[in-house]
Amino acid sequence: GQSLEQPSEVTAVEGAIVQINCTYQTSGFYGLSWYQQHDGGAPTFLSYNALDGLEETGRFSSFLSRSDSYGYLLLQELQMKDSASYFCAVDTGRRALTFGSGTRLQVQP
Amino acid sequence: DADVTQTPRNRITKTGKRIMLECSQTKGHDRMYWYRQDPGLGLRLIYYSFDVKDINKGEISDGYSVSRQAQAKFSLSLESAIPNQTALYFCATSDPKQGASYGYTFGSGTRLTVV
Repeated sequence: GQSLEQPSEVTAVEGAIVQINCTYQTSGFYGLSWYQQHDGGAPTFLSYNALDGLEETGRFSSFLSRSDSYGYLLLQELQMKDSASYFCAVDTGRRALTFGSGTRLQVQP
Repeated sequence: DADVTQTPRNRITKTGKRIMLECSQTKGHDRMYWYRQDPGLGLRLIYYSFDVKDINKGEISDGYSVSRQAQAKFSLSLESAIPNQTALYFCATSDPKQGASYGYTFGSGTRLTVV
């Protein structure tokens, strides 16, 4: 089966940089995805890493190390609207995504 | 119109009742999914369908059934609802040609309460 671990909560101040880590154990691995979910809303897709390294999309970047079964989401220049839950999810290529339990990010003024 | 529409948005039902949650999508994707979300447990997979004739159980399928009526429609049924099925339910779709790399599109969710 698959298992993912990520911190349950992270707090940071507006304008700062925050990193949300995700470690995973899977049988078979194609890639790691990140999703954002605001309270009361639907998850929305942020990024996907299939290869080792850093992928940058605006203020958000995502990193993957396949050899360490580890990835992280990096959020820069934090804004209040970034307060949300962030989920990592593994793609094994065989079925649907398996999601982590989520990290609740609180951005303070 | 939303790409993925779930109905109803909210539902309260009694223990033992049969209930159906509906999902339709306008993205033309073959793959559809049902997930359940409980506080602190993330999204857990109930069922998924890679095309109209292909339906698969997820990690928590007991007590649930699904029907893929067409490419665009994927319904989830609770045959005899019980209180621990109280949760937020999400439907999602994805493009098999792009897999997970372009992400899943989720509906707005159905909040189900079983009393």
